[in-house]
Amino acid sequence: EAGVAQSPRYKIIEKRQSVAFWCNPISGHATLYWYQQILGQGPKLLIQFQNNGVVDDSQLPKDRFSAERLKGVDSTLKIQPAKLEDSAVYLCASSSQGNEQFFGPGTRLTVL
Amino acid sequence: QKEVEQNSGPLSVPEGAIASLNCTYSDRVSQSFFWYRQYSGKSPELIMSIYSNGDKEDGRFTAQLNKASQYVSLLIRDSQPSDSATYLCAVIKTDSWGKLQFGAGTQVVVTP
Repeated sequence: EAGVAQSPRYKIIEKRQSVAFWCNPISGHATLYWYQQILGQGPKLLIQFQNNGVVDDSQLPKDRFSAERLKGVDSTLKIQPAKLEDSAVYLCASSSQGNEQFFGPGTRLTVL
Repeated sequence: QKEVEQNSGPLSVPEGAIASLNCTYSDRVSQSFFWYRQYSGKSPELIMSIYSNGDKEDGRFTAQLNKASQYVSLLIRDSQPSDSATYLCAVIKTDSWGKLQFGAGTQVVVTP
């Protein structure tokens, strides 16, 4: 069974530019999560989808971050405009029953 | 008070010894508990899940849960250099739609 796929793996941009990340969850997993992990910290949930509906986006900085999950499968997370403090690893995870979550390889974002 | 707390380490363990990691959580309504292993530069990998009080063993790993005292621990028996990683404790609260709350992680270093 293929795991969670993410792209790109690395991205370097300048502040105020925009960036988008893509995630393809494990086949059949209805729940998809985007996390932000800053160096030295545990992952922090940004947004959670159940199929193509948003369940929790309470910690998503909505003035600059947006996410969508069209057709209940793939998802994209966008940052526009990026700030220096957005430098982090962006992790996508999926689960089938809302408990055990499996993570993709992540996208390491550097904002200069 | 952080919702999930772990000692940051590093925890230095001789090869072949037992590594003992502890995690405390603040919310009594937490229902599901997980341990993830994260190698440097990699994404978190689920190694143990535990849902009820007591011990759960899987190979060299044993998770212990005590809901009354609000702590969960992980024992790694016969520690190997390949166990050197950061171990993240994560908790799901009841009625949180499966939102994982992570600790900052404990770094384990197994010395030959």
